[in-house]
Amino acid sequence: GAGVSQSPSNKVTEKGKDVELRCDPISGHTALYWYRQSLGQGLEFLIYFQGNSAPDKSGLPSDRFSAERTGGSVSTLTIQRTQQEDSAVYLCASSLEGGQGREKYFGPGTRLTVT
Amino acid sequence: GENVEQHPSTLSVQEGDSAVIKCTYSDSASNYFPWYKQELGKGPQLIIDIRSNVGEKKDQRIAVTLNKTAKHFSLHITETQPEDSAVYFCAASMENTDKLIFGTGTRLQVFP
Repeated sequence: GAGVSQSPSNKVTEKGKDVELRCDPISGHTALYWYRQSLGQGLEFLIYFQGNSAPDKSGLPSDRFSAERTGGSVSTLTIQRTQQEDSAVYLCASSLEGGQGREKYFGPGTRLTVT
Repeated sequence: GENVEQHPSTLSVQEGDSAVIKCTYSDSASNYFPWYKQELGKGPQLIIDIRSNVGEKKDQRIAVTLNKTAKHFSLHITETQPEDSAVYFCAASMENTDKLIFGTGTRLQVFP
Protein backbone atom coordinates (compact mmCIF):
# COMPACT_ATOMS: atom_id res chain seq x y z
CA GLY A 1 0.00 0.00 0.00
CA ALA A 2 0.96 3.66 -0.26
CA GLY A 3 3.27 5.02 2.37
CA VAL A 4 3.56 8.51 3.79
CA SER A 5 4.02 11.05 1.04
CA GLN A 6 5.40 14.56 1.31
CA SER A 7 5.48 17.46 -1.09
CA PRO A 8 7.40 19.14 -2.43
CA SER A 9 10.45 16.89 -2.26
CA ASN A 10 12.70 19.91 -2.57
CA LYS A 11 12.02 23.58 -1.91
CA VAL A 12 14.40 26.49 -2.38
CA THR A 13 13.18 29.81 -1.06
CA GLU A 14 14.55 33.22 -0.35
CA LYS A 15 15.05 34.44 3.18
CA GLY A 16 11.93 36.17 4.44
CA LYS A 17 9.47 34.23 2.28
CA ASP A 18 6.78 31.93 3.68
CA VAL A 19 6.72 28.22 2.81
CA GLU A 20 4.16 25.45 3.16
CA LEU A 21 5.13 21.80 3.41
CA ARG A 22 2.54 19.08 2.94
CA CYS A 23 2.22 15.61 4.42
CA ASP A 24 -0.19 12.88 3.36
CA PRO A 25 -0.20 10.15 6.02
CA ILE A 26 -1.02 6.51 5.49
CA SER A 27 -4.77 6.14 5.12
CA GLY A 28 -6.43 5.39 8.45
CA HIS A 29 -3.51 6.53 10.58
CA THR A 30 -4.78 8.78 13.34
CA ALA A 31 -1.44 10.06 14.63
CA LEU A 32 0.87 12.34 12.64
CA TYR A 33 4.26 13.77 13.55
CA TRP A 34 6.61 16.38 12.15
CA TYR A 35 10.37 16.15 12.70
CA ARG A 36 13.25 18.25 11.41
CA GLN A 37 16.62 16.82 10.39
CA SER A 38 19.45 19.30 10.09
CA LEU A 39 22.77 18.41 8.47
CA GLY A 40 24.75 16.09 10.71
CA GLN A 41 22.08 16.13 13.39
CA GLY A 42 19.50 13.70 14.59
CA LEU A 43 15.81 14.16 14.12
CA GLU A 44 14.28 16.97 16.14
CA PHE A 45 10.64 16.63 17.20
CA LEU A 46 8.40 19.51 16.14
CA ILE A 47 4.73 18.63 16.69
CA TYR A 48 2.36 15.69 17.14
CA PHE A 49 -1.25 15.43 15.99
CA GLN A 50 -3.87 13.01 17.24
CA GLY A 51 -6.72 13.42 14.78
CA ASN A 52 -6.96 17.14 14.12
CA SER A 53 -5.71 18.15 17.57
CA ALA A 54 -2.10 18.84 18.51
CA PRO A 55 -1.57 17.61 22.08
CA ASP A 56 2.16 18.26 21.84
CA LYS A 57 3.57 21.19 19.91
CA SER A 58 6.49 21.71 22.27
CA GLY A 59 9.11 21.25 19.55
CA LEU A 60 8.10 24.14 17.32
CA PRO A 61 11.21 26.36 17.44
CA SER A 62 9.47 29.74 17.22
CA ASP A 63 6.15 31.39 16.49
CA ARG A 64 7.15 31.50 12.83
CA PHE A 65 6.35 27.78 12.71
CA SER A 66 2.79 26.50 12.68
CA ALA A 67 1.03 23.34 11.58
CA GLU A 68 -2.48 22.20 11.02
CA ARG A 69 -4.23 19.00 10.16
CA THR A 70 -7.61 18.83 8.54
CA GLY A 71 -10.07 15.96 8.24
CA GLY A 72 -7.77 13.81 10.32
CA SER A 73 -5.60 13.31 7.28
CA VAL A 74 -3.41 15.83 5.42
CA SER A 75 -1.16 18.10 7.44
CA THR A 76 0.57 21.33 6.45
CA LEU A 77 3.63 22.76 8.17
CA THR A 78 4.00 26.49 7.55
CA ILE A 79 7.15 28.48 8.14
CA GLN A 80 6.75 32.24 7.97
CA ARG A 81 9.55 34.70 7.23
CA THR A 82 12.03 31.90 6.62
CA GLN A 83 15.58 32.21 7.93
CA GLN A 84 18.74 30.44 6.78
CA GLU A 85 18.77 28.35 9.96
CA ASP A 86 15.43 26.87 8.86
CA SER A 87 17.26 24.96 6.11
CA ALA A 88 16.81 21.27 6.87
CA VAL A 89 14.94 18.16 5.83
CA TYR A 90 11.43 18.18 7.25
CA LEU A 91 10.12 14.68 7.87
CA CYS A 92 6.56 13.64 8.48
CA ALA A 93 5.53 10.34 10.07
CA SER A 94 2.24 8.67 10.84
CA SER A 95 1.14 5.78 13.02
CA LEU A 96 -2.09 3.85 13.30
CA GLU A 97 -2.65 5.19 16.77
CA GLY A 98 -0.82 7.62 19.00
CA GLY A 99 1.06 6.42 22.00
CA GLN A 100 4.51 5.28 22.93
CA GLY A 101 5.71 2.26 21.05
CA ARG A 102 3.37 2.52 18.09
CA GLU A 103 5.42 2.07 14.92
CA LYS A 104 5.94 5.35 13.12
CA TYR A 105 6.17 5.31 9.33
CA PHE A 106 8.24 8.15 7.94
CA GLY A 107 7.88 9.88 4.60
CA PRO A 108 10.89 10.71 2.41
CA GLY A 109 10.99 14.30 3.63
CA THR A 110 11.04 17.77 2.13
CA ARG A 111 14.47 19.32 1.75
CA LEU A 112 14.14 23.04 2.45
CA THR A 113 16.93 25.39 1.45
CA VAL A 114 16.69 29.05 2.46
CA THR A 115 19.03 31.28 0.47
CA GLY B 1 14.87 17.26 29.24
CA GLU B 2 16.06 14.02 27.74
CA ASN B 3 19.32 13.96 25.80
CA VAL B 4 20.58 11.04 23.69
CA GLU B 5 24.20 10.68 22.65
CA GLN B 6 25.25 8.24 19.92
CA HIS B 7 28.67 6.85 18.96
CA PRO B 8 30.43 6.42 16.66
CA SER B 9 29.34 8.93 14.04
CA THR B 10 30.81 6.76 11.28
CA LEU B 11 31.61 3.06 11.20
CA SER B 12 33.22 1.04 8.43
CA VAL B 13 33.29 -2.74 8.53
CA GLN B 14 34.12 -5.59 6.20
CA GLU B 15 31.24 -7.69 4.96
CA GLY B 16 30.61 -10.52 7.39
CA ASP B 17 31.99 -8.68 10.40
CA SER B 18 29.86 -7.38 13.27
CA ALA B 19 28.93 -3.76 13.89
CA VAL B 20 28.05 -2.18 17.23
CA ILE B 21 26.50 1.24 17.76
CA LYS B 22 26.12 2.68 21.24
CA CYS B 23 23.78 5.26 22.74
CA THR B 24 23.43 6.80 26.16
CA TYR B 25 20.44 8.64 27.55
CA SER B 26 20.16 11.11 30.39
CA ASP B 27 16.67 10.75 31.83
CA SER B 28 16.05 7.62 33.89
CA ALA B 29 12.32 8.03 33.18
CA SER B 30 12.89 6.97 29.56
CA ASN B 31 11.54 3.49 29.03
CA TYR B 32 11.24 2.91 25.28
CA PHE B 33 14.20 2.72 22.91
CA PRO B 34 13.72 2.23 19.16
CA TRP B 35 16.36 2.03 16.44
CA TYR B 36 15.81 3.41 12.95
CA LYS B 37 17.63 2.80 9.67
CA GLN B 38 17.70 5.56 7.08
CA GLU B 39 18.76 4.82 3.53
CA LEU B 40 19.75 7.58 1.14
CA GLY B 41 16.80 9.67 0.03
CA LYS B 42 14.33 7.85 2.28
CA GLY B 43 12.75 8.43 5.63
CA PRO B 44 13.91 6.46 8.68
CA GLN B 45 12.48 2.98 9.13
CA LEU B 46 12.04 1.20 12.45
CA ILE B 47 14.22 -1.91 12.61
CA ILE B 48 14.00 -2.96 16.26
CA ASP B 49 12.92 -1.56 19.61
CA ILE B 50 13.22 -2.46 23.27
CA ARG B 51 11.36 -1.54 26.42
CA SER B 52 12.99 -1.01 29.78
CA ASN B 53 11.55 -4.19 31.28
CA VAL B 54 13.87 -6.37 29.18
CA GLY B 55 17.62 -6.39 28.78
CA GLU B 56 17.99 -7.80 25.28
CA LYS B 57 15.98 -8.39 22.14
CA LYS B 58 16.96 -10.17 18.94
CA ASP B 59 15.58 -10.27 15.43
CA GLN B 60 17.65 -12.41 13.07
CA ARG B 61 20.99 -10.60 12.58
CA ILE B 62 20.01 -7.61 14.69
CA ALA B 63 20.00 -7.35 18.46
CA VAL B 64 19.58 -4.55 20.95
CA THR B 65 20.83 -4.56 24.54
CA LEU B 66 19.81 -2.23 27.33
CA ASN B 67 21.58 -1.39 30.59
CA LYS B 68 19.16 0.67 32.67
CA THR B 69 21.63 1.23 35.48
CA ALA B 70 24.22 2.74 33.18
CA LYS B 71 21.55 4.33 30.96
CA HIS B 72 22.93 3.00 27.75
CA PHE B 73 21.72 0.79 24.95
CA SER B 74 23.42 -0.71 21.92
CA LEU B 75 22.58 -2.03 18.48
CA HIS B 76 24.44 -5.14 17.32
CA ILE B 77 24.43 -6.25 13.69
CA THR B 78 26.08 -9.59 12.97
CA GLU B 79 27.22 -10.98 9.61
CA THR B 80 26.98 -7.55 8.03
CA GLN B 81 26.03 -7.25 4.37
CA PRO B 82 26.46 -4.36 1.92
CA GLU B 83 22.74 -3.66 2.11
CA ASP B 84 23.16 -2.87 5.80
CA SER B 85 24.97 0.30 4.72
CA ALA B 86 22.85 3.23 5.90
CA VAL B 87 22.54 5.80 8.69
CA TYR B 88 21.28 4.33 11.96
CA PHE B 89 19.55 6.40 14.64
CA CYS B 90 18.80 5.48 18.21
CA ALA B 91 15.99 7.19 20.10
CA ALA B 92 14.40 7.29 23.53
CA SER B 93 11.06 8.28 24.91
CA MET B 94 9.47 8.54 28.32
CA GLU B 95 6.29 6.92 29.47
CA ASN B 96 3.09 8.80 28.61
CA THR B 97 4.75 10.74 25.82
CA ASP B 98 4.80 10.14 22.11
CA LYS B 99 7.88 12.29 21.55
CA LEU B 100 11.04 10.52 20.43
CA ILE B 101 14.42 12.06 21.25
CA PHE B 102 16.92 10.95 18.64
CA GLY B 103 20.67 10.50 18.68
CA THR B 104 22.77 12.19 15.99
CA GLY B 105 23.12 9.07 13.85
CA THR B 106 25.82 6.61 12.79
CA ARG B 107 26.77 6.21 9.16
CA LEU B 108 27.56 2.52 8.66
CA GLN B 109 29.47 1.42 5.58
CA VAL B 110 29.86 -2.27 4.85
CA PHE B 111 32.56 -3.02 2.30
CA PRO B 112 32.32 -6.19 0.19
